Amino acid sequence: QVQLKESGPGLVQPSQTLSLTCTVSGFSLTSYNVHWVRQPPGKGLEWMGVIWSGGNTDYNSALKPRLSISRDTSKSQVFLTMNSLQTEDTGIYYCTMGIGFAYWGQGTLVTVSS
Amino acid sequence: DVVLTQTPPTLSATIGQSVSISCRSSQSLLHSNGNTYLNWLLQRPGQPPQLLIYLVSRLESGVPNRFSGSGSGTDFTLKISGVEAEDLGVYYCVQSTHAPTFGAGTKLELK
Repeated sequence: QVQLKESGPGLVQPSQTLSLTCTVSGFSLTSYNVHWVRQPPGKGLEWMGVIWSGGNTDYNSALKPRLSISRDTSKSQVFLTMNSLQTEDTGIYYCTMGIGFAYWGQGTLVTVSS
Repeated sequence: DVVLTQTPPTLSATIGQSVSISCRSSQSLLHSNGNTYLNWLLQRPGQPPQLLIYLVSRLESGVPNRFSGSGSGTDFTLKISGVEAEDLGVYYCVQSTHAPTFGAGTKLELK
């Protein structure tokens, strides 16, 4: 069955770079698109970007200068890198896929703090 | 960017009551391929979102048929016909006809 699992550092210092990994199973990254979505504490959902099955990417225009999404198809992993982190980047980061965003990981909490 | 406006922001209901949530888009969500990529998600506390409805009105597998979706163009509605306790949480509409955007959410509470 389809599974996604996010992993990352948990705590990042302000101005530093965030690196997250989404490890997937049950489908091929070359056949399905994977999105990243984040959620600040107590707030709503924000789409961050997508890596298409063909390998191209698209980003939220507000995050584009700081954001990069890539993948390693041999390891079934998708990577998110975002630089110049600030406290407002604190939140839960999810990877998701499928028609209508049908499948989600459990999310990983990222706290930006010194 | 497409803005999705959800109303009401909070909904208080009794068990068995039928309720509706509105989602209005700042642009038409009709794609050039004829599909309308408007979906509804439910997020229970401490959980990732769960897909309920996709392509406006298609019920995701395993989702109870008390949930239904309707609408077209820029106006969409999620209806719950007979709220149950497990339905409590925050409902989001999300569009992916354009670069994806989410509504602000509607919190369903028990009255």
